[in-house]
This record gives sequence, C-alpha cells and structure tokens, in this order.
Amino acid sequence: GQNIDQPTEMTATEGAIVQINCTYQTSGFNGLFWYQQHAGEAPTFLSYNVLDGLEEKGRFSSFLSRSKGYSYLLLKELQMKDSASYLCAFMDSNYQLIWGAGTKLIIKP
Amino acid sequence: IAGITQAPTSQILAAGRRMTLRCTQDMRHNAMYWYRQDLGLGLRLIHYSNTAGTTGKGEVPDGYSVSRANTDDFPLTLASAVPSQTSVYFCASSDSGIGGNEQFFGPGTRLTVL
Repeated sequence: GQNIDQPTEMTATEGAIVQINCTYQTSGFNGLFWYQQHAGEAPTFLSYNVLDGLEEKGRFSSFLSRSKGYSYLLLKELQMKDSASYLCAFMDSNYQLIWGAGTKLIIKP
Repeated sequence: IAGITQAPTSQILAAGRRMTLRCTQDMRHNAMYWYRQDLGLGLRLIHYSNTAGTTGKGEVPDGYSVSRANTDDFPLTLASAVPSQTSVYFCASSDSGIGGNEQFFGPGTRLTVL
C-alpha cells in the first residue's frame, strides 16, 4: 500500500530554524514535493526532490532519502509570514501525487 | 486571465442538485487536475486529464465527472450532490502529467451541500 505521514502541528519562534519531517511508503516513486498553503488560500510550490540529498532555495531547503522513505523541509530565519500549512506529497508510479494531511506551522514572536 | 481561475468562489447547494465547478487556465498546460481538500486529510485527487480529449479517474472519482474539450477548460460536475461532497475543491494544472513539473493551483471553490 501507499501512505504518507507528517506532524499535524508545530510551533517555532520568529528568527529560529524549524524542520518539518515527512515519511512515506510506496512501491513506485517519482519524486517528493513540498507545498506551502496559507489559511484560506491555494497551495503553492516550494520544492521538488527526486534524487537523494539536500536542495537549497533561499531560506528553504528540502532533503530526501529514498532508501528511508524520508524527507524534510528546513525553514531558516523564520518570519511571521511563514505561518502556514506545509504539505508534502510524493508522485507514485502512475505519476499521481499522494498528499500528506499537512503540517500547520505556528510562528510566535 | 492570469494563471488558473475557478468559479464559483463558494456555493451552497441542496442535496440532489446538479452542479458544475468551472476551471480555466491560460498557461497552455497539458495536464489538469481536480482535488478535494477536507479538514485533517490530504488533498485527494478526483479526476485528471493529461491532455485535451483524455481524462482519468483519481483516488475519489465516485459522484463526479469531468470533460476536457480543449486545453484551457476542465469543468467538474456533481450529477446529484450529497452532503459528503461538502469540501473545498481545487483545480490545478501542470505543463506535463509526469516528472517534476509543479502543479499550479486555482483559488478553490468552497462547496456546502445541505
């Protein structure tokens, strides 16, 4: 079967660093996506990993380990505007995205 | 139009009524998708289309139908709405249905079925 899991909610402090983990199980894998979704808005693309390792994009980085079925999104220098839900999703063998329920990130001053 | 649009923004519908949610994109993307998002659950794929003239079933297709007569439009129809179809519906598009192409999402339609 296929499944994907991420924490429901996390809290962090403005200016700090936070790591949001995502684990998945699937027999066919074509990459791992991270999206950001502010309350009441549409998801927007953050990153895509298909090979093992770290991809850095400004304050955001995403890591993938295919052998462990594990990814994380690292957010540095947190800002209040980073308060949002972060969705991870893997692309299965049929090229369909299987989505986690999202991690709601709360940033405190 | 810039990007992907959906209509209506929100709708309250009586059970048993027929409803079509509209989705239009101007990015000339080949692939389009319909998802529903419910509290505590991840986005779930309802139907998709990899190119104009073709459609496929996603994870939760029952009670919904789609058509893809041209590249830009991908309407979702609820033939006879039921309360369990109360949800936020997102339409999305991507350049291709395979690979690492990001999906661009419309603003969503909030549907309540009473």
